[in-house]
This record gives sequence, C-alpha cells and structure tokens, in this order.
Amino acid sequence: GAGVSQSPSNKVTEKGKDVELRCDPISGHTALYWYRQRLGQGLEFLIYFQGNSAPDKSGLPSDRFSAERTGESVSTLTIQRTQQEDSAVYLCASSSRTTGGNIQYFGAGTRLSVL
Amino acid sequence: GQQLNQSPQSMFIQEGEDVSMNCTSSSIFNTWLWYKQEPGEGPVLLIALYKAGELTSNGRLTAQFGITRKDSFLNISASIPSDVGIYFCAGRQGSNYKLTFGKGTLLTVNP
Repeated sequence: GAGVSQSPSNKVTEKGKDVELRCDPISGHTALYWYRQRLGQGLEFLIYFQGNSAPDKSGLPSDRFSAERTGESVSTLTIQRTQQEDSAVYLCASSSRTTGGNIQYFGAGTRLSVL
Repeated sequence: GQQLNQSPQSMFIQEGEDVSMNCTSSSIFNTWLWYKQEPGEGPVLLIALYKAGELTSNGRLTAQFGITRKDSFLNISASIPSDVGIYFCAGRQGSNYKLTFGKGTLLTVNP
C-alpha cells in the first residue's frame, strides 16, 4: 500500500484480556517502530525492528508487552492481561535505510480502550 | 530517558496571525524533526533539520536548528483554519535511530 496501515483502528477490551495490534509497513521499508501515545502526551518509544537484526525492545514497559515481525513485513504488538493504564493510541512507523535522517512515516494508529 | 520540553502546550489564535513554538533539551541532538498530527491520524513530517543553525522552510512553515544543538523552533506564518492540530518536535542523537518526542503544542485557529 501507499502508507503504513494499522488495524484495528479502534479496540475496546476488558481488563485482563489479551489484544493483538497489527502494522503493515510501507513496502520496502526495512525499519519498523511501535510507539504508545497516551492522551495529551508525546510519543513513547516501545520497540524497533531493523531487517533481520535483533529488535530493540528497550521501550517495552513490562513483560506483558511483546512484538513480532517476520522479515521486513507485517508486525504484531501483543499486550497480555491488559490493564486500564494500557489505554492509549498505539502508533506504528516505518522508515527506509535510504531515507536520509531516519524519516519515519506513521500509520493512523490503533486506539485501545481497556474497560 | 531524554526529555524534550515543548512550549507552549496550547495556543488559540485568530486566522492570519503568525505562530511560534519551540523545543528545548538539556542534551545535544543532531537531527530535529517537526511533525503535525490531526485527529484520528498519525503524525506527518513537516520539516527535517540536520545541521546546527539550519533554517528550512516548507510553504508557510519555517523551522530552525539551534546553534547549541539543544533547541529548535517552528514558525507558521499567516495561519489558516487547516493549520489546526498538534505539532510535535522530535530529536535524534548521534546515529541512534530512536526519536525522542516533545509533548506537543495544540494549535487552534479561529476563523
């Protein structure tokens, strides 16, 4: 597709349930990022994938959060046993090695509401 | 982690007015980026700055990379209603791929 695609756009879940969020990066982009954006806040880095290298998971807030990516394609962010404080917009971005300055292109995000 | 202090938090202006916002940090950054986010959308890149002192324009938008490499500002001239949104600064250090984001400036333009 032309841009970064995320699904679902909205997700409402009950506390304690697991959720899976999906990101389709721009075709040919080797780098993929996940961010969390709480209401009224900036973007908080979660995890970074670059090609087949080991991902940088340093931003994941707890072991309930995990992410997978196969090669240079789709990524899924999984939150287990969701808590109310997990409610936020989860944004995915991708970038190309050939793009100067590490310009990241963002999807529209998944708005997660944990009741 | 690193913090970027972005100000003001919000602005309410009349159409046609000029707008200025800035980001400061206690640390040096070697890339500054300015993004705009509209409701229900992801951030969209407006301007990228790569060298200290650099002044770059994109239409009515002008951004500068501070000489100390610890700050950047964004100006919008002759604002129009479609300028409404949240503007974020973001910085990158060294060859690090990570971006640090400010908390954003919410801009409201009254027609």
